[in-house]
Amino acid sequence: GAVVSQHPSWVICKSGTSVKIECRSLDFQATTMFWYRQFPKQSLMLMATSNEGSKATYEQGVEKDKFLINHASLTLSTLTVTSAHPEDSSFYICSAGRREQGTDTQYFGPGTRLTVL
Amino acid sequence: SQQGEEDPQALSIQEGENATMNCSYKTSINNLQWYRQNSGRGLVHLILIRSNEREKHSGRLRVTLDTSKKSSSLLITASRAADTASYFCATAKTGANNLFFGTGTRLTVIP
Repeated sequence: GAVVSQHPSWVICKSGTSVKIECRSLDFQATTMFWYRQFPKQSLMLMATSNEGSKATYEQGVEKDKFLINHASLTLSTLTVTSAHPEDSSFYICSAGRREQGTDTQYFGPGTRLTVL
Repeated sequence: SQQGEEDPQALSIQEGENATMNCSYKTSINNLQWYRQNSGRGLVHLILIRSNEREKHSGRLRVTLDTSKKSSSLLITASRAADTASYFCATAKTGANNLFFGTGTRLTVIP
């Protein structure tokens, strides 16, 4: 159990367009989902924490108007990269939190590779 | 930044040898977790150690935690070529459920 999917797995878009990435918890309900960004050969950087039915909490330096997060249900969160630019090209990974034995464990999706031309 | 530091950045060993990776962090934590990532793929959760624990084992993995030094180590014994991956530590702060990842160690196990 505890499977998280992301769609699409990769996307190429033109500069100035918007791209939506979906994150789904397939076999459990996640009250909290997280979005990370990872540049090549670097670590994951937390972008925002998303709670179902409320506004996302963004980390310092992350533009909330550029990276729109919607957490409409307990199994789905979406990240929309608006007016994408080449510097937004990155690997975007989501995770979904599940309470286990008193600890919030995060289960990660397989990631979405975004390339902006 | 709340990001942790890992060393070494890269480690190359022969199959059968042990691999040790270290992680240092900056804040008080609720727990520390280790993840593995194959190139261009998602993360796989390996092990979680709570702040009141000092050592934990899971198969060929051994994790230690020293909260006084704000450091942790991951030992992989009897390494295999399939262990080749990047390994990240991640900390969960007390009272929060988001994770902050270390810089990662790229492990290469040579057959």
